[in-house]
Amino acid sequence: DSGVTQTPKHLITATGQRVTLRCSPRSGDLSVYWYQQSLDQGLQFLIQYYNGEERAKGNILERFSAQQFPDLHSELNLSSLELGDSALYFCASSAAGGDTGELFFGEGSRLTVL
Amino acid sequence: SQELEQSPQSLIVQEGKNLTINCTSSKTLYGLYWYKQKYGEGLIFLMMLQKGGEEKSHEKITAKLDEKKQQSSLHITASQPSHAGIYLCRSYNTDKLIFGTGTRLQVFP
Repeated sequence: DSGVTQTPKHLITATGQRVTLRCSPRSGDLSVYWYQQSLDQGLQFLIQYYNGEERAKGNILERFSAQQFPDLHSELNLSSLELGDSALYFCASSAAGGDTGELFFGEGSRLTVL
Repeated sequence: SQELEQSPQSLIVQEGKNLTINCTSSKTLYGLYWYKQKYGEGLIFLMMLQKGGEEKSHEKITAKLDEKKQQSSLHITASQPSHAGIYLCRSYNTDKLIFGTGTRLQVFP
């Protein structure tokens, strides 16, 4: 158990819809990272938050947004969903703000867009 | 930007065989993390290599970092079905969070 909790574990929705994925980092970790993993794209970094502020941005689509709340949990919002958004979305946390520390990953949220 | 290329992309081995997975960086490699992912599950941290020439072992898995070659190798001795999964490398101390392309390992009895 990494200590990182993601909900929901599975989500099935239709194209055009909007969903929210939630992540609770390990106790004490200030950084939260979001990743997308699809079969043909590997693991893609989306965005990082550190103590409530956006720290780094990767290949995140404009239809996607994220935020980190004062209690340090984070949410990833995916809107106007397309079939290609079907993927496993991972959240990871680390104690530090930089990317040299060890990341602890959640079990992921599997999104299926029909 | 830095890229991490893993080879092979996919590997199928018989139980008991040894195997090696490579992670090659397009830029100077200061250090590296290795992770394992069971299909459809989260990533599990295996080990971190910080210095050139460093070698670490965890159970039957050994990883080395070759700074000159800008490469790290992960070696599994006497593979078991429990070793099956996706192995990913991640670079250390870069301006972006970069993962390798991944190596899918299958071990059959």
